[in-house]
Amino acid sequence: DTAVSQTPKYLVTQMGNDKSIKCEQNLGHDTMYWYKQDSKKFLKIMFSYNNKELIINETVPNRFSPKSPDKAHLNLHINSLELGDSAVYFCASSQGRASGANVLTFGAGSRLTVL
Amino acid sequence: GQQLNQSPQSMFIQEGEDVSMNCTSSSIFNTWLWYKQDPGEGPVLLIALYKAGELTSNGRLTAQFGITRKDSFLNISASIPSDVGIYFCAGLTGANSKLTFGKGITLSVRP
Repeated sequence: DTAVSQTPKYLVTQMGNDKSIKCEQNLGHDTMYWYKQDSKKFLKIMFSYNNKELIINETVPNRFSPKSPDKAHLNLHINSLELGDSAVYFCASSQGRASGANVLTFGAGSRLTVL
Repeated sequence: GQQLNQSPQSMFIQEGEDVSMNCTSSSIFNTWLWYKQDPGEGPVLLIALYKAGELTSNGRLTAQFGITRKDSFLNISASIPSDVGIYFCAGLTGANSKLTFGKGITLSVRP
């Protein structure tokens, strides 16, 4: 039973399109995150939600909009996709409001390729 | 902002060898974490360290929280082919701080 599941695992699309990546966690965690991993494997936090409330919003273009319908789900919608958006996007969750002393559990990632 | 330094970017070892990886910072961290990322998967937590000087083992893995709180190391003993992957250190400066990740070290193990 997957703890943090993301769909789709692979997404290939054209520049200018709008796409969404979905994430669900069944760990009962309060906090969920989106990370971007670029071609150099660097993990960069994008957003964090605690109980449907946005608590971390890094310098990310407005084209990226997270949505948390409930504390078990955090979706990422991307408008007007650009070549530079190609990356692997990881969803993660943790117990507690912030990263705090609580460790992150990651999903398997969604590889987005923009052509 | 806080930065965690991991180098070299890649390491190549022979199966059966031990390997040690360091993670250093100019800032003090209160929590150190070590993650491993297998190809095509998300990072998985290996070891979490919460106290300066703490030494923790998980099978063939041993990690230590440096006394100065500015570094941590991870040792892998008797490496096997499935140890290949990217090893990330990560740290927290406080209870409400964001998790900071190092850039990772890609480990290759030759059979």
